[in-house]
Amino acid sequence: DTAVSQTPKYLVTQMGNDKSIKCEQNLGHDTMYWYKQDSKKFLKIMFSYNNKELIINETVPNRFSPKSPDKAHLNLHINSLELGDSAVYFCASSPTGQNQPQHFGDGTRLSIL
Amino acid sequence: SQQGEEDPQALSIQEGENATMNCSYKTSINNLQWYRQNSGRGLVHLILIRSNEREKHSGRLRVTLDTSKKSSSLLITASRAADTASYFCATDEGGAQKLVFGQGTRLTINP
Repeated sequence: DTAVSQTPKYLVTQMGNDKSIKCEQNLGHDTMYWYKQDSKKFLKIMFSYNNKELIINETVPNRFSPKSPDKAHLNLHINSLELGDSAVYFCASSPTGQNQPQHFGDGTRLSIL
Repeated sequence: SQQGEEDPQALSIQEGENATMNCSYKTSINNLQWYRQNSGRGLVHLILIRSNEREKHSGRLRVTLDTSKKSSSLLITASRAADTASYFCATDEGGAQKLVFGQGTRLTINP
């Protein structure tokens, strides 16, 4: 069984469109995350939710809006896509607290034409 | 928060040799973690070392932490072709549960 699953795996779309990426974890974790990995493999946190509440909100354009309907799901909606949004987006989850490893999904590769 | 630094950026060795990767960070931490990323896949947690620990082992992995130098190293012994991947260190210097990742070391094991 996949622990952290995100869909779709690939997303190719035109500039200006709106798209969503979905993430689900079956590990029973309370905390979920969205990361962006650029073409140079730099991985940077975007958002984190704990029990459906936003706890980390990095300097991300407000075109990006996360939504957590329950603690097992964290979706990412992106409005008015731009060329610079092309990247791989990873969802992750962990138990709450310090010294906890994070479990990552396999990523969604977003390509903007 | 700034990314940590990893060294080298790329490493290519023969199967059976040992591989050593280094990571430096900038501020005080509670823990440092190492992750592996295979091509086209997500990151997989390998090992976590707490700030009060100096060395930790897990199978063929050995991690050291020197908080005075703000650095860590990951040693993979008796490397295998399946170890080919990118390896990232991450610290909680951004705050609890806010990991700051290094830029990664791309390791290639040649058969």
